Order: sequence, then C-alpha cells, then structure tokens
Amino acid sequence: DVKVTQSSRYLVKRTGEKVFLECVQDMDHENMFWYRQDPGLGLRLIYFSYDVKMKEKGDIPEGYSVSREKKERFSLILESASTNQTSMYLCASSLEGSWSNQPQHFGDGTRLSIL
Amino acid sequence: KQEVTQIPAALSVPEGENLVLNCSFTDSAIYNLQWFRQDPGKGLTSLLLIQSSQREQTSGRLNASLDKSSGRSTLYIAASQPGDSATYLCALSGNTPLVFGKGTRLSVIA
Repeated sequence: DVKVTQSSRYLVKRTGEKVFLECVQDMDHENMFWYRQDPGLGLRLIYFSYDVKMKEKGDIPEGYSVSREKKERFSLILESASTNQTSMYLCASSLEGSWSNQPQHFGDGTRLSIL
Repeated sequence: KQEVTQIPAALSVPEGENLVLNCSFTDSAIYNLQWFRQDPGKGLTSLLLIQSSQREQTSGRLNASLDKSSGRSTLYIAASQPGDSATYLCALSGNTPLVFGKGTRLSVIA
C-alpha cells in the first residue's frame, strides 16, 4: 500500500514565523501535491511537483513556496506565517506520467494554527 | 475554469438504504474523475477512479458512473452501513491536477 506521511498532525505557530510542513511518500511516485482544505471552500491546490527540483504553482500559491530536493520528499514552506494560513494542509502523491491517469494518494493532513 | 458541484451538501439515511451521491462539472474535457472518502480530521481515501473513456467503475458495494456529455457523475452505495458515514468528495482531472467538489457529508443511522 502507498504510504504518504506528513510529519505533524497538529502544529501551532506564531505570526511571522517561517513554517515548514514535510511530506514523505514511500512508493517512488514522481508527482507530489500540496492542498489546503477550509470549511466552505473545499480543497484547493497550492503547489505541485512532477519531478525532483521541479515545481508548478497551483490555484493559491501566494505566501507559500515548496522544495523538492529528493523524489520522496516534498516540503511546503510558509515564508512568513499569517493568521489566514490557519488551515488543514494535505499532501498527496501519484505515479509517473500524466497525473490525469493515476489516482492520488493522500496523507492524514496537518492541522496548522497560526496565532 | 472547471467548477465541480456536489449536491446535497449533507445527507442522512437509515442503515440498509441504497443511496446516490451526485457530482456535476462544467467542463467535459476531463481525463478522469475520482471519488474519495474523508473521515473527520483525516486525509482522503481514494475509492474509485473512472477514466474519461469509461462509463463506470465498481468496487464492492460502490458503483461510480460518468456521463461526460451531461457533466455528471454519481456514486451509488448499496446497503448502506453506519461505517459508511463520512464526507464523500469527487474530483476531476483535466489540463491541471485535481479540482475538487466541496463534498457530501453522509450520515448512516443505525
């Protein structure tokens, strides 16, 4: 079974801090994704990556950056955390090729609170 | 831009009932449609994926259909159980990665 592991289930940070959310997958997947999920807004794509050191902006990249130095790890970075970034963050991965042909597998999420 | 709508937002049914969840989308130029389940405070679990060339997929008590021409998909759950209680989301893949609906929250009452 595919395992997508997010480093923290719950995280509390302060406004202005630089925050790192880590995601690791163990199935040698090429594609990795970061979403945030908010009540009433659903899941929205922040960034995705289809290869090491490659990244693409999703629908809401502002205030975020990502890093993919190794195939199995995809990090989401909040450069200067703000209260409107309080949310549930979900990481996903999928197999090589067009992301359209392969199912995405999700981690359990990180619930991030910015105070 | 693709928009995905799921109606109803919430549904409550007695145990044993067969039920249908609906998903509609505005752009029929899709590659696939995926149904997920999400339990409270958890991530998403993939249930079924339908390629654009397919009409339906089945897994156990679940059956998902896809009608691109009408912009609709349904998830049929047979003989519902309390353990089926969760939020069900549909998501579509086109020229960009998945676009999600906001989900239907299902409660199956024993």
